[in-house]
Amino acid sequence: GQQLNQSPQSMFIQEGEDVSMNCTSSSIFNTWLWYKQDPGEGPVLLIALYKAGELTSNGRLTAQFGITRKDSFLNISASIPSDVGIYFCAGRSPSSGSARQLTFGSGTQLTVLP
Amino acid sequence: DVKVTQSSRYLVKRTGEKVFLECVQDMDHENMFWYRQDPGLGLRLIYFSYDVKMKEKGDIPEGYSVSREKKERFSLILESASTNQTSMYLCASSLIAGAHEQYFGPGTRLTVT
Repeated sequence: GQQLNQSPQSMFIQEGEDVSMNCTSSSIFNTWLWYKQDPGEGPVLLIALYKAGELTSNGRLTAQFGITRKDSFLNISASIPSDVGIYFCAGRSPSSGSARQLTFGSGTQLTVLP
Repeated sequence: DVKVTQSSRYLVKRTGEKVFLECVQDMDHENMFWYRQDPGLGLRLIYFSYDVKMKEKGDIPEGYSVSREKKERFSLILESASTNQTSMYLCASSLIAGAHEQYFGPGTRLTVT
């Protein structure tokens, strides 16, 4: 099946630093989504991308749909303690079996040190 | 805002018990999904439903069944719970077939002893 490679697996950063993470796929995707999951909670949708090259911001978060359609990036600027959590990418490939299924990355665990 | 709720945050069940996990969404979404989340394995799709009484198997349907009698409610059933079904279970919904944004509930942490 589809696979997404998300990196890094974990990050330890100082408060105020910028953060970058990315997802890559072996096949073309037509949708990229970024989620954040707090401990013990369900994932919350942060940003949705539908077009190659698209750059979308949500506050301090910026995500991009790679022009090759095989990758996506999430940047967090000026990190704060509440940014702690697991960040997941998810994507939808036109070649996947169902129009409704998403493929999820394995997540990036972000720790913000004071 | 989309609201997806799950009937329990924490459940402890014994091996062999029949377990029902309930999910309700309040935004008239067509599609509903059940995932399980395990460390190192990410989110894995168990079943999804695209309409009332309609269902499709996901990647790991073995040991599970589902029921969707009303549009807003999607139930996951463990017919005979086993210890390897100890996991975090997440329900999600999306508006229509072409809308890929899925909205998640808070999750149910199930422990089978």
